[in-house]
Amino acid sequence: EDQVTQSPEALRLQEGESSSLNCSYTVSGLRGLFWYRQDPGKGPEFLFTLYSAGEEKEKERLKATLTKKESFLHITAPKPEDSATYLCAVRHFGNEKLTFGTGTRLTIIP
Amino acid sequence: EAGVAQSPRYKIIEKRQSVAFWCNPISGHATLYWYQQILGQGPKLLIQFQNNGVVDDSQLPKDRFSAERLKGVDSTLKIQPAKLEDSAVYLCASSSGASGSQETQYFGPGTRLLVL
Repeated sequence: EDQVTQSPEALRLQEGESSSLNCSYTVSGLRGLFWYRQDPGKGPEFLFTLYSAGEEKEKERLKATLTKKESFLHITAPKPEDSATYLCAVRHFGNEKLTFGTGTRLTIIP
Repeated sequence: EAGVAQSPRYKIIEKRQSVAFWCNPISGHATLYWYQQILGQGPKLLIQFQNNGVVDDSQLPKDRFSAERLKGVDSTLKIQPAKLEDSAVYLCASSSGASGSQETQYFGPGTRLLVL
């Protein structure tokens, strides 16, 4: 069974203070690792898909990286509007289902 | 392009009552998913449709939950009778069903259910 563990559960940063969120996963035959952002009272918003170890993707202040066991979401010089819960999910070959972690709640303090 | 639409946005019911949620996926998306998200947890898949056929309903509590996707477009999820532990956000997502970059699942805003 696919498993996803995210850490830390919550993270408070000062505006401009860079950091990383971790997503550790166990899956037989990875067919995509997904990062979503979820604001309070809203549905998850798609950020990135990573397919193979060594792959990296960037969007504004966010950069996602992937190894064979984990993914990192690096946030550089964050702003208060980056405050949200960041969810990681995996999918394995032969199944469309996403298995999600419990998320990291990120708060950026002005 | 319009996103995934869901209604109602909020619902409060008493236990043992029934409730139904509606979802309209992104136009042209063949695959539709219903997820349950309990407070503080990640979404968990309840059921997946490909067009109007069920692909995966292994985690759907079939004694009380049912879902349908008539004509392969809109979908409804029903709970009857509701229990306290059904209090959660019910998220609908859709994807084009093709491989590669089109595999992305796009989520609606969710329906927040509170069972008293």
